Amino acid sequence: DSGVTQTPKHLITATGQRVTLRCSPRSGDLSVYWYQQSLDQGLQFLIQYYNGEERAKGNILERFSAQQFPDLHSELNLSSLELGDSALYFCASSVGTSGVSEQFFGPGTRLTVL
Amino acid sequence: AQSVTQLDSQVPVFEEAPVELRCNYSSSVSVYLFWYVQYPNQGLQLLLKYLSGSTLVESINGFEAEFNKSQTSFHLRKPSVHISDTAEYFCAVSVFGSSYKLIFGSGTRLLVRP
Repeated sequence: DSGVTQTPKHLITATGQRVTLRCSPRSGDLSVYWYQQSLDQGLQFLIQYYNGEERAKGNILERFSAQQFPDLHSELNLSSLELGDSALYFCASSVGTSGVSEQFFGPGTRLTVL
Repeated sequence: AQSVTQLDSQVPVFEEAPVELRCNYSSSVSVYLFWYVQYPNQGLQLLLKYLSGSTLVESINGFEAEFNKSQTSFHLRKPSVHISDTAEYFCAVSVFGSSYKLIFGSGTRLLVRP
């Protein structure tokens, strides 16, 4: 158990819908990262937050957005869903933003868009 | 831009045989290097990392990896594998800078047969 929790574990929805994925980082970790794992794209970095502020963006679509709340949990919002958005979404957390800070991954949320 | 190449998508091997999973990276700046393991239906777990110092790093379960700067490689090895090592292995880099997002390779599935 990494100490990072993600809810829900599974999510099945239809095209055009909107969903919210939730992540609670390990106690004491200030950084939260979101990654997408799909068969065709592999594991890709989406976005990073540190202590409530956006730090970096990767290959995140405009239909996707995220935020980190004062209690440090984070939410990833996916809207106007398409079939290609079906993937495993991971959240990771680390103490800081330094490269020496290990990123701990949650179990992931599997999103299926029908 | 940085990239990570894992040439072998799948490596089948018999139990107790040695194995090497190859990883090459491309970067014009200094990087940190990581190997993560993903067991079926689970999140990613850090196996080992190279930050600085000795180019040979070891994990607690018998894996080791050697950073070779001239060949820009970070191959993962184990002298004798077990059935329980069957999993997906991801090589990743993070780059010095304002965000230490991980850039992953496409993964190598290690399949250990009895």
